[in-house]
Formats: sequence, structure tokens, C-alpha cells
Amino acid sequence: DAGVIQSPRHEVTEMGQEVTLRCKPISGHNSLFWYRQTMMRGLELLIYFNNNVPIDDSGMPEDRFSAKMPNASFSTLKIQPSEPRDSAVYFCASSGQYNSPLHFGNGTRLTVT
Amino acid sequence: DQQVKQNSPSLSVQEGRISILNCDYTNSMFDYFLWYKKYPAEGPTFLISISSIKDKNEDGRFTVFLNKSAKHLSLHIVPSQPGDSAVYFCAASSTNFGNEKLTFGTGTRLTIIP
Repeated sequence: DAGVIQSPRHEVTEMGQEVTLRCKPISGHNSLFWYRQTMMRGLELLIYFNNNVPIDDSGMPEDRFSAKMPNASFSTLKIQPSEPRDSAVYFCASSGQYNSPLHFGNGTRLTVT
Repeated sequence: DQQVKQNSPSLSVQEGRISILNCDYTNSMFDYFLWYKKYPAEGPTFLISISSIKDKNEDGRFTVFLNKSAKHLSLHIVPSQPGDSAVYFCAASSTNFGNEKLTFGTGTRLTIIP
């Protein structure tokens, strides 16, 4: 079990650039979550998918953020255009059966200058 | 509006002693609570959970206590070990949503002093 795999681990970009974060969930898990961690707000749920379908995107901060899950083994979170206040650690997590614990990836640390 | 609050950003405890991490919540609909542990440069990992039908759940050195009337839960670690040094996140949800709508606190950094 390779766990949830996120890439890149670190991303530094300039304001206005497009940023794409990637996630490979654990095989067999049917729910996928994108979280953002900041000092002020802790871990915030941005969006989650069930069986590749977006279920709740109410946590997505603005239209600049979008997420896709084209198949069961891959998801992306895109920010376009990026802004300095988007700087945070972004985590992807997956889970299998209902109410089973979330398994988090190691995160992508995004810095927008 | 933080619905799950961890008011202590950091805590230092001597090795071998008890570590007590606290968490308060405001949403009365929450009935399922979890603790996650996070090491630097890693994602959070699940530690222990409790349903509102219980007031205590124990797993080895870790015990979670729930006081529904006070909307308060705590994590006790006994005895504390150096490997327990990490950031601990409290999370809450309602049974209707399970893990799909977890609300996390801002975390407490626990340092165990050898």
C-alpha cells in the first residue's frame, strides 16, 4: 500500500501563474478530499469526490480554484490565477468505506510570491 | 467562525507524564469526534475517535473523553513518550456525514521533553 501520493511536494510560483496540484488516492478508495492547511484556520475542506463525482465544493474559496477527478486514480486541484494569499499546505486524502478514517498524503507546500 | 477550537497552540510535557490536549466545539449537530496526529512534512494520521453515545474511548496509551454538555473533548496520553511530539488536530462531524464533512481545529503542537 503506497498510500496517498501527492505531487509536487513544494511549489513556488509568482502571482498570476497557474498552479496544478496532483493526487493519486489509495487504490480501492472511493472518496477523495482536498484540504488546505493554514496557521489561522487549520485544516479546511475544499472539495470532496465520491466515485469520481464532486459532491460538495462549498469550501472552494473562489472561482480561481477548480478540481477534477477524471478517474478513480487521479485528481487535480488547479488555481488560476494564483495569489499570495493562496500560500498554504494543500493535502489530499482518500477513504474507503463510509466512516473509515481518512488517509492523507504528505501535502504540497505552495508559496505564491 | 471556528466551530472546532483548540485554544492551546502548544504544550510541553515531561516524558513519562500525562499529556492532556483540549478541544471545544460549538455546533450541536456534531456527534462524531476524532483526533489526528501530524509529524512535520507528513500528512495527518488518524489516532482515535469517539461517538457521542460514549463519554470515553481508550486505545492503549491514548484516551479520548467527551463532555457533551460542555461541548468539550480531551485527549489524554499516558505515559507521554518522545515519539508523541507532533501536532494534534481535533476534528468533528455529524453521523449523517461521517468523514465527508470533517471540521478540524487549528491544532496543538505537543513537545515531549526527555
